[in-house]
Amino acid sequence: DAGVTQSPTHLIKTRGQQVTLRCSPISGHKSVSWYQQVLGQGPQFIFQYYEKEERGRGNFPDRFSARQFPNYSSELNVNALLLGDSALYLCASSPGTGALNTEAFFGQGTRLTVV
Amino acid sequence: GQQLNQSPQSMFIQEGEDVSMNCTSSSIFNTWLWYKQDPGEGPVLLIALYKAGELTSNGRLTAQFGITRKDSFLNISASIPSDVGIYFCAGHGSGGSNYKLTFGKGTLLTVNP
Repeated sequence: DAGVTQSPTHLIKTRGQQVTLRCSPISGHKSVSWYQQVLGQGPQFIFQYYEKEERGRGNFPDRFSARQFPNYSSELNVNALLLGDSALYLCASSPGTGALNTEAFFGQGTRLTVV
Repeated sequence: GQQLNQSPQSMFIQEGEDVSMNCTSSSIFNTWLWYKQDPGEGPVLLIALYKAGELTSNGRLTAQFGITRKDSFLNISASIPSDVGIYFCAGHGSGGSNYKLTFGKGTLLTVNP
């Protein structure tokens, strides 16, 4: 079975541009979460979606948005990119939420560089 | 907000040695997870812990969920070169924050053959 897949793997954008990152969860998993990992740090929570609804949001500005589709795939959008948005963006897939949310499986990430 | 303190920040050991790293929190966590991350890759789940006091093994790896629910440790026995990487602890908090994982800053492990 395929694991969590993310696209693209690498991306270079200019300040002020907008970017869309994509994630396909493990088959059968209904929950997708997004994390930002800057160099030398652990991943930081951005969003969780379950059954197309936002279930949680981290401490990120409104420039960050996401959505989940009927097939449980997800997109993360970032507007008005700043240099500080350069990071590895990770998508995590879980079977569900609450008690079923305990094991999160990560994709390989999208490396975003803002110049 | 919830924070995890992970130590040590880095370790440099000889092949065959045992390794221990730990994670502490100022607040209670309902689950503890340990991940390994290789350069340019996403974190890979190693061990998941669900109950206070639980001790779980996965091959040469052993992890425990502290009885206070505010700490966890990971041990690696008889280290080998492929154990090199960054190890992260992570946990699900209680109450309204149980939807997200909070991560430590990681322990960089280097194994000298």
